Amino acid sequence: EAGVAQSPRYKIIEKRQSVAFWCNPISGHATLYWYQQILGQGPKLLIQFQNNGVVDDSQLPKDRFSAERLKGVDSTLKIQPAKLEDSAVYLCASRQTSGRGNEQFFGPGTRLTVL
Amino acid sequence: AQSVAQPEDQVNVAEGNPLTVKCTYSVSGNPYLFWYVQYPNRGLQFLLKYITGDNLVKGSYGFEAEFNKSQTSFHLKKPSALVSDSALYFCAVRDSGGYQKVTFGTGTKLQVIP
Repeated sequence: EAGVAQSPRYKIIEKRQSVAFWCNPISGHATLYWYQQILGQGPKLLIQFQNNGVVDDSQLPKDRFSAERLKGVDSTLKIQPAKLEDSAVYLCASRQTSGRGNEQFFGPGTRLTVL
Repeated sequence: AQSVAQPEDQVNVAEGNPLTVKCTYSVSGNPYLFWYVQYPNRGLQFLLKYITGDNLVKGSYGFEAEFNKSQTSFHLKKPSALVSDSALYFCAVRDSGGYQKVTFGTGTKLQVIP
């Protein structure tokens, strides 16, 4: 079974530039999550999708961050414009929704450095 | 609001000794509890979970965890530590109702000393 795919793995940009990350979840996983993990901290949920609908984006800085999952499969997370404090690893995870106790499967993450 | 506390930033243990990584949680309703491990430059890997049933759950790589409802704890344990167990460990709680919001702890770095 293929895992959660993310690209790019690394990205360096200057502040005020824009950047986009891509995630392809495990086939059949209806629930998709984007997390921000700042060095030395635990993952912080940015947004949770159920199929192509948003179920939780309470911690997404909506003035600069946006995410979509148009066909209920792949997802993109965008930052525009980036700030220095956005430097972090962005993790995508997916979960099979049938069976409420199912665990999440994580991708390798995208390490963003904002200069 | 739900929360997870991992009170130790780092745990050091000698190879071959038992290890414990602590986790306490707060959630309304019945919790789903998880442990994940993260190696450098890698995503999180699932280790084990408590959903219901036996309070002692066994997971990957010889790890186990004990759910204690009265103490709202879910400590991770292993009888004999290996150097290869050195990594960052995260505890997570998910509310069993509603949209099942997930909250992660801040992580505990485990260092196994040869």
